[in-house]
Amino acid sequence: AQSVTQLDSQVPVFEEAPVELRCNYSSSVSVYLFWYVQYPNQGLQLLLKYLSGSTLVKGINGFEAEFNKSQTSFHLRKPSVHISDTAEYFCREAAGNKLTFGGGTRVLVKP
Amino acid sequence: NAGVTQTPKFRVLKTGQSMTLLCAQDMNHEYMYWYRQDPGMGLRLIHYSVGEGTTAKGEVPDGYNVSRLKKQNFLLGLESAAPSQTSVYFCASSYGAGNQPQHFGDGTRLSIL
Repeated sequence: AQSVTQLDSQVPVFEEAPVELRCNYSSSVSVYLFWYVQYPNQGLQLLLKYLSGSTLVKGINGFEAEFNKSQTSFHLRKPSVHISDTAEYFCREAAGNKLTFGGGTRVLVKP
Repeated sequence: NAGVTQTPKFRVLKTGQSMTLLCAQDMNHEYMYWYRQDPGMGLRLIHYSVGEGTTAKGEVPDGYNVSRLKKQNFLLGLESAAPSQTSVYFCASSYGAGNQPQHFGDGTRLSIL
């Protein structure tokens, strides 16, 4: 069965510091990977996606992620966070029609 | 452009009552989904639809029914509400299958007393 593991449930980080959110997927077949952000009391919004091609994917709000097939990982990074990046972040795998979300990582940006 | 609209935004029910959550999308998407979100458990798929008139079970379908009579609407019904169904419910839609991003509504917060 497919599974998506977000290795950290909570990540506290100071403003202007870098952050990395870890995501490991399990599918051994062709896979599509997504990162979503959920701000308080809102639905999920797409940050970025990997479908094929370059393994480094750039998204909105200065986020980027790197697809690593050998390590089955798709970690999300931002070099300098803002208070407004406080949110929950979800990694999602799609293999065929099967979609699987990770458990989420809460990012708390401290001043 | 409204995107995905969920109604109602909040609801409190008593155990055993029934209700229907409505999801409407104006993007002409084929695929629609209902998820529930509980603390520490991420999003779990309840039911989904790959087109008008079709529905399929997801990961946690028990206690819920759905209908997709019109392409733009996807209804989620609770037949006899139970406290375990207290959750935040999200609807999403997408143009196609796995390689397409999903667009989410803002959620319905449902409490069952």
